[in-house]
Amino acid sequence: LAKTTQPISMDSYEGQEVNITCSHNNIATNDYITWYQQFPSQGPRFIIQGYKTKVTNEVASLFIPADRKSSTLSLPRVSLSDTAVYYCLVGARSGNTPLVFGKGTRLSVIA
Amino acid sequence: DSGVTQTPKHLITATGQRVTLRCSPRSGDLSVYWYQQSLDQGLQFLIQYYNGEERAKGNILERFSAQQFPDLHSELNLSSLELGDSALYFCASSVGPVSFGEPQHFGDGTRLSIL
Repeated sequence: LAKTTQPISMDSYEGQEVNITCSHNNIATNDYITWYQQFPSQGPRFIIQGYKTKVTNEVASLFIPADRKSSTLSLPRVSLSDTAVYYCLVGARSGNTPLVFGKGTRLSVIA
Repeated sequence: DSGVTQTPKHLITATGQRVTLRCSPRSGDLSVYWYQQSLDQGLQFLIQYYNGEERAKGNILERFSAQQFPDLHSELNLSSLELGDSALYFCASSVGPVSFGEPQHFGDGTRLSIL
């Protein structure tokens, strides 16, 4: 399983765009990149998944450069309710690769 | 609301005891996953069942066991409990047998406290 590295914590003001970068230098050809969000005392929630270039949904965007050794989760105009831990995961979409959660990035949004 | 239901929400018991945690997956989901989250270990994958059969095993202790019933609900049994077993236990579900390729939907967990 590809190991991921992401910042332990980040602070942001309300209304700003937040970019959280995840490094995964040994990502394999078949690996996808997935992000989950977790609020205190709640289970993680799927945010977005991608393989290359850019993926966008109603919640976030995921930018993946050509070498795929890193990825950036972009949250537009964050609010206080976006305060949470964000996890970057890498694994093969097929087969039976379990989710491996690291420490994640604790995002604190300040008014 | 993820559609995954876990009971009980809180459980307080003593060392050496046995408890059962219950999970009802989201309607239509055939896979159930169990995770343990403690302050020092983060979120750890324990075990996965798909349509009643064990599919994948993670860092699950021998004192722990799980099963998935014909109605697809699942139970996680924890026995000979130790102080270190105090944690949040999450259940998640997904449609198919693939762990990573599709989103997993998590319940709100059972908080287990061992006194």
